[in-house]
Amino acid sequence: KQEVTQIPAALSVPEGENLVLNCSFTDSAIYNLQWFRQDPGKGLTSLLLIQSSQREQTSGRLNASLDKSSGRSTLYIAASQPGDSATYLCAVRWQGNFGNEKLTFGTGTRLTIIP
Amino acid sequence: KAGVTQTPRYLIKTRGQQVTLSCSPISGHRSVSWYQQTPGQGLQFLFEYFSETQRNKGNFPGRFSGRQFSNSRSEMNVSTLELGDSALYLCASSLGAAGFSYNEQFFGPGTRLTVL
Repeated sequence: KQEVTQIPAALSVPEGENLVLNCSFTDSAIYNLQWFRQDPGKGLTSLLLIQSSQREQTSGRLNASLDKSSGRSTLYIAASQPGDSATYLCAVRWQGNFGNEKLTFGTGTRLTIIP
Repeated sequence: KAGVTQTPRYLIKTRGQQVTLSCSPISGHRSVSWYQQTPGQGLQFLFEYFSETQRNKGNFPGRFSGRQFSNSRSEMNVSTLELGDSALYLCASSLGAAGFSYNEQFFGPGTRLTVL
């Protein structure tokens, strides 16, 4: 069974700082790992997808890394802005016991950027 | 390219009633997945449909069902509503081919269901 953990559950940082969000997973046999952001009461916005064969992906101020051997991924946000305030979730796509692909989400990190 | 759309956006029902939610995936996407999100349980997987067939199922009671049409649009039905069914129901679409690591999920805005 795949378990996905995100620590810390909440994080507050001053505007302009660089920050790192963490995601850990227990089963390294994954297809990919995806990072999302969710604004209150809204759906999820895909930020980055890292395929199992990749080590990192970048989009603008965001950089996500993947280390399958240690079961870890990090999301690096450079020069944080108040608009980055949201809940960030990671999700791991993996193969279940009966050959079905499953997507398991972490519990999220609620990020607040202080102006 | 239009994103994933869900209707209705908000819904209020009473216990014992049934409800149907609709999801239209991104054009060309063949997989549609449904999730329930609550403050206490987080995001929980309901089921996934691919080419009109249920390909995957989470651990929800039989009151929760779904289907997918030939145009990939999907509906989710909840019968005999309970108070605990109050949640944000999210739909996600992807290209869907199994076993491919580039399968990226795109989510709709969700349907907020309140059961009184």
